Formats: sequence, structure tokens, C-alpha cells
Amino acid sequence: DAGITQSPRHKVTETGTPVTLRCHQTENHRYMYWYRQDPGHGLRLIHYSYGVKDTDKGEVSDGYSVSRSKTEDFLLTLESATSSQTSVYFCAISESRGKDQPQHFGDGTRLSIL
Amino acid sequence: GQQLNQSPQSMFIQEGEDVSMNCTSSSIFNTWLWYKQDPGEGPVLLIALYKAGELTSNGRLTAQFGITRKDSFLNISASIPSDVGIYFCAGQRNTDKLIFGTGTRLQVFP
Repeated sequence: DAGITQSPRHKVTETGTPVTLRCHQTENHRYMYWYRQDPGHGLRLIHYSYGVKDTDKGEVSDGYSVSRSKTEDFLLTLESATSSQTSVYFCAISESRGKDQPQHFGDGTRLSIL
Repeated sequence: GQQLNQSPQSMFIQEGEDVSMNCTSSSIFNTWLWYKQDPGEGPVLLIALYKAGELTSNGRLTAQFGITRKDSFLNISASIPSDVGIYFCAGQRNTDKLIFGTGTRLQVFP
């Protein structure tokens, strides 16, 4: 295992409510990522972090915010959840973004917005 | 956003058969990765390729980094039931973000 814990593993909530997903790593890796996985789209990057308090947007960042106050934790927040954000969310980590440093993934959070 | 063309989308094979799948892109990549995802779990890295023409094996799995740097191939020999899952390719150009394929769903029948 790559030492990545995502919580919660499953969540059902209503449209308009705030939701926060947590990713915790024990590998002390610098880079952390949030992806969403939807049928027909594969994995798409939402946001990523390259250090404490250093974050940047991915290709599908609208409606999401992130925070990283400690090396080991990367939080994904949906300020006001919408049904289009129903998805499976994966956290990934890597030591760097260079060659020879592939990303390793957590087991995902299945989020349903009703 | 950019996606990789991964084929076939799904495969239904008999145990013991060999499997081939591939990934193509309109862009050049410096890194190709192959992941496997089991139901309810995250993708697990199978093979990483870093050089054009490179051929790398991991047990019964063999992957190749295409010479043009626009494609990659994954072969599984003598398939077994635990090979069932979704296989994803991913490409990376230098330190850019990973681009993922849409996956090949593999089903193995005894």
C-alpha cells in the first residue's frame, strides 16, 4: 500500500450542502492530487498541491477548493454541492512531478449528491 | 481536456489467453504509465516506462513505450481470473500533469 487514506469512503448528501473530503498520507511526499472518476472520462485532475499552502488548479476545478495546512493532509471542499459533482474522488501522491516519480492512488471516496 | 485513446474499451477472454491493449495520443509523452483498478479500489501502478522503445515486464505483464512516443502497449500473457479489472494508461510530458486513458475493462472467464 502507498500509505494513503481517504475519508470518508462513502458519502450521500443533498444539493447545496458543503462537503469536505480528506486525504491523509504517511509517505511524506511533496505532491498530492485530487481526481474525479466518471464513466467515459477516466480520471480528471481537480486540484493539486506541491507543498504546504501551495496549490494549483487542474482541468476540472470549478466548484472545488482545496487546502493543505500540513504535509500529510490534503482537503477537497465542495462549497455548495451539485448533482454534477456526484462521482468517485481519488487522492494521489508523488515525491515530485519529474520522471521516475509516478503517482500512487488511494482507494477513493464515493460521493452521491441527491 | 485532452484524453488518450485507449482500446479496446472492453475485452472478454477465456482463462489462459493472451491479452493486448494499447493507448495512442496526438501528443508526444516522456513517460507512459499503466495502472490496474479493481472494483471499489484505487488504481494500482503496474508498469512505468520512461524511454522511447523501452520494453518492461512485471511478471506476466509486458509494456512497451512506442518509438514515436505517441503510443504504448500492454500485453498480459496466460490470463488468470484475478486479471479481471480496468486497465488505464497514463501519459506525461516532462513535469506536466498526467493524462489518462478511458480504460480497458477486462473480463476473464474460466
